[in-house]
Amino acid sequence: KAGVTQTPRYLIKTRGQQVTLSCSPISGHRSVSWYQQTPGQGLQFLFEYFSETQRNKGNFPGRFSGRQFSNSRSEMNVSTLELGDSALYLCASSLVGSRSLAGSLRTDTQYFGPGTRLTVL
Amino acid sequence: AQSVSQHNHHVILSEAASLELGCNYSYGGTVNLFWYVQYPGQHLQLLLKYFSGDPLVKGIKGFEAEFIKSKFSFNLRKPSVQWSDTAEYFCAVRSNDYKLSFGAGTTVTVRA
Repeated sequence: KAGVTQTPRYLIKTRGQQVTLSCSPISGHRSVSWYQQTPGQGLQFLFEYFSETQRNKGNFPGRFSGRQFSNSRSEMNVSTLELGDSALYLCASSLVGSRSLAGSLRTDTQYFGPGTRLTVL
Repeated sequence: AQSVSQHNHHVILSEAASLELGCNYSYGGTVNLFWYVQYPGQHLQLLLKYFSGDPLVKGIKGFEAEFIKSKFSFNLRKPSVQWSDTAEYFCAVRSNDYKLSFGAGTTVTVRA
């Protein structure tokens, strides 16, 4: 089974521009989560999508947004780029994601893609 | 929201030495616990996970971790490391909000 794929792998942008990153989950996985990894802040949760709906959100400004398509592929968009947005952006997929309709904590595992290295100049 | 603390920022050891990496979290409720590894130039890979049951879990490549609920800890161990274990190791905790919170990571350098 193919793993999580992310495109592009590397991206260079300038301040003020916007960028769109793409993530294709493992086949059959319906949940996609995004993380930002930087040397100073480590790995931080951005948001999670499940069945085309944002189910969870981290503490990032509104410039960071995302969406999920009916085939579970997800895109992340960052508008008005700042120097501090330079980071490795990781996508992770899992079977189900957030808690079930019954409210119990689902016990699935997130599998990570290789990431997109974004450099903002 | 929970916080995750990894005690060591950088660990340097020789091949065949034993490794133990500490991880503590702050959340008091039900948690899922994970250790991920990031080898140089590679993406994050799952090393092992704990959901419930036996608090001693075994993962890939000879790693194991022990969940001690009373200490809010999930320490990673390997009895005898190899040069190929050189990597960055991340402890992660997931609670009811489903967000995966990561520790700052521990860089492990194994000298031949």
